[in-house]
Amino acid sequence: GNSVTQMEGPVTLSEEAFLTINCTYTATGYPSLFWYVQYPGEGLQLLLKATKADDKGSNKGFEATYRKETTSFHLEKGSVQVSDSAVYFCALSRLAGGTSYGKLTFGQGTILTVHP
Amino acid sequence: DAGVIQSPRHEVTEMGQEVTLRCKPISGHNSLFWYRQTMMRGLELLIYFNNNVPIDDSGMPEDRFSAKMPNASFSTLKIQPSEPRDSAVYFCASSGMGPSSGANVLTFGAGSRLTVL
Repeated sequence: GNSVTQMEGPVTLSEEAFLTINCTYTATGYPSLFWYVQYPGEGLQLLLKATKADDKGSNKGFEATYRKETTSFHLEKGSVQVSDSAVYFCALSRLAGGTSYGKLTFGQGTILTVHP
Repeated sequence: DAGVIQSPRHEVTEMGQEVTLRCKPISGHNSLFWYRQTMMRGLELLIYFNNNVPIDDSGMPEDRFSAKMPNASFSTLKIQPSEPRDSAVYFCASSGMGPSSGANVLTFGAGSRLTVL
């Protein structure tokens, strides 16, 4: 079956530090890959996505590249801010017939805390 | 658009009571999902609907849980009877039609935090 594995957290960084959160996946076929972010007390929000190999998703300074050869979709940001403190979820969705449409498989989430 | 609307935001109840959680998806979205989030198990997909029809309910924990979608603008998740281990945050999410309109992109509600004493 499909699965997503994220690096274990929590991750604690100082402001302006470089961020990497690792994500690897297992799936048949060609899934779409996503990063969602959850701020305290809120629902998940889409941060970025990539739908095919070598695509790079980017948003708000965050980037992730779809690497089929390593089945990875690592999240990076060059300089984090205190406001980036949240839980980050890697997810995949496999477009294969109507029953798989839009169904997301999530990783376990990584808590990021950024200190001033 | 007001986004995905869930109610109640918080619910505290006693074991054995019936709990009903409600969701209004984004207008025009044709898929609706119910997720449960706990510290121990993370995010779990309970059930999802496409065009108001349940497609996959394999994540529903047991017969105490049921979900309905009587029309395109409303869904309920019911737990009867509730148990302390049902305490969690329950999220509803919806998505639109077709890959060209981002069918894989889910928009989540703010969640309903359930505490069963």
